[in-house]
Order: sequence, then structure tokens, then C-alpha cells
Amino acid sequence: GAVVSQHPSWVICKSGTSVKIECRSLDFQATTMFWYRQFPKQSLMLMATSNEGSKATYEQGVEKDKFLINHASLTLSTLTVTSAHPEDSSFYICSAGLAKNIQYFGAGTRLSVL
Amino acid sequence: QQQVKQSPQSLIVQKGGIPIINCAYENTAFDYFPWYQQFPGKGPALLIAIRPDVSEKKEGRFTISFNKSAKQFSLHIMDSQPGDSATYFCAASIADFGNEKLTFGTGTRLTIIP
Repeated sequence: GAVVSQHPSWVICKSGTSVKIECRSLDFQATTMFWYRQFPKQSLMLMATSNEGSKATYEQGVEKDKFLINHASLTLSTLTVTSAHPEDSSFYICSAGLAKNIQYFGAGTRLSVL
Repeated sequence: QQQVKQSPQSLIVQKGGIPIINCAYENTAFDYFPWYQQFPGKGPALLIAIRPDVSEKKEGRFTISFNKSAKQFSLHIMDSQPGDSATYFCAASIADFGNEKLTFGTGTRLTIIP
């Protein structure tokens, strides 16, 4: 089956630092990748949609300067949380589009900002 | 309206029973309805999906029933096992190349007791 690798799985950082999360589609090319945020016991909230070679499309209320997304190739997208603060602590999940509508998800990254 | 309503919020079923999780949508443009299974600390895994041209789809112990006129769909798990204990999310999307955003339900925490 389609595999999406997300790294790191857990990161702890100090307030004010930046953190980069990688999302890779291992056995397929993904024209579109998605980034989600999930709070404990809640549903997934779409943050942005990224298409290879173009700027990401952010959902309403998501700060594009805070959450930088780069989709430089058909197998790699990165999310950088800039100047992280404790309120940015959350579970971040990426997904990659394989075919019409179908998305496969990474295992998620737990970010803890001290 | 992009909302997908999911119920119940939580469900406890004895081993061997058939848990049923229901979802309802409003946007008739949705044309893809997947179900995802998520274990704690992990990303969602695609379980089964249906398109509106069929009323039922089975894959192993998992069945989706789809009622287009009522704009409802449900997940049935046959012969449920303790290993099925997880959070289940329904979702819906529109086929729009490069922008197949998933709209997620609020999730159902399922517990299968031995």
C-alpha cells in the first residue's frame, strides 16, 4: 500500500525556536500534500494544501508566516513552525494525495514547545 | 455547507457485536466518502471508502452503507474485536484535481470490551 513517512515523530523545542517537519511519499508521487493539526480528542483540522512547485493554499485563520510550507518535489513537503510558542504545541499530520480524492496519512508529529 | 456530522461521539460494544457509526452531510457535491481509523499517537489510516454510485461496500469485516437521498452514510464493523478499539473518522470530499480537501467528521471513540 501507499506509504507516507513523517519525521520527526516527536519534537520538543524551546519557545522562540523554529521546527521543521518533513513529509515524504515513499512509493508514489504526490502532486498534492495536505497538512493538518489535531488537538487531543478532537478531529483533524486542515491547515493548508500544497501543490508541488507552487505556493501553498492556507485555510482561513492559519497564519502563513507562522506555518511555512514548502513542496519542492513530488515526494517531499515540509512544514516549518516559525518562532514556536507553547500554544503551537499540538499533533501535526501530513497526508499525500495518491489518486482522485484518496489521501494517505503520515504517522504524525507531536510538537511540544516549552 | 461543508460540514460532516458524525455520531455517536463514543461507543462501547461487547466483543463480537456490530458497532455502527453514522455520518450525515449537506453538500451534494461531495463524491467520495472514506472512513479512517486512528490509534492514539498515530496518523489516520484509510479503512474503506465509497463513492455515491453504490449503496454498499464491504471490505473484510467493514461495511459502508450509503444513502444518497438521505445524505447519510454509516460504517458497520462485523464480529468486532478488542483490536478494533480506536477512533473512527468519516470524511467527505469533492473531486477537484489538486484540491481534493477532506472534510472530517468529529470522530467516534470506539471501545470493544472482551
